[in-house]
Amino acid sequence: DAGVIQSPRHEVTEMGQEVTLRCKPISGHDYLFWYRQTMMRGLELLIYFNNNVPIDDSGMPEDRFSAKMPNASFSNLKIQPSEPRDSAVYFCASSSSSSTMNTEAFFGQGTRLTVV
Amino acid sequence: AQTVTQSQPEMSVQEAETVTLSCTYDTSESDYYLFWYKQPPSRQMILVIRQEAYKQQNATENRFSVNFQKAAKSFSLKISDSQLGDAAMYFCAYRSARVSVGGATNKLIFGTGTLLAVQP
Repeated sequence: DAGVIQSPRHEVTEMGQEVTLRCKPISGHDYLFWYRQTMMRGLELLIYFNNNVPIDDSGMPEDRFSAKMPNASFSNLKIQPSEPRDSAVYFCASSSSSSTMNTEAFFGQGTRLTVV
Repeated sequence: AQTVTQSQPEMSVQEAETVTLSCTYDTSESDYYLFWYKQPPSRQMILVIRQEAYKQQNATENRFSVNFQKAAKSFSLKISDSQLGDAAMYFCAYRSARVSVGGATNKLIFGTGTLLAVQP
């Protein structure tokens, strides 16, 4: 398996523009997580899905943020309109609940978002 | 709510020496998992080691081992024979083992990280 795949790796956009971050989880994993990493706040969980259903979106900072998981192999995180304070590295991770041994989450390489 | 605390923002170790990174957590649950992740400059999050709370034996992975003190809610990482490639940010993380209505609560709660430098 290629692991969790995120795209793009880097994104630079102007304030006010819509940004879409994409994630393909590991095949067979039933949990998908979106994290944001900044120097000030560390790693924050934004939202997570179980079997494509959003379970907890309490970490989504504002209504400008939305995330969907239309099927088991894809999720996106949208920011509209984007603001400079949204600049961060956004990670997608997936995990499986089917095995008690593989309890960890597997992370993608992240998308570095810069809003200017 | 569960919290994870890493009180050492930065640490430094000489190559081939041993270093211990600290982590404490707060939870009212009795069954959970603890992890150490490594994040090198490439920013990839890599699992280093995991510990199941119901196991008394400390986990070990080659040069990496943990000191799990459940009563004290402490979970430190020991790196033996430090190598230059060990230089990275290290994150401690907690995951509940509780099964909720929507399935197991798999979300990871992270500490703020410890930046480890390895001196040649």
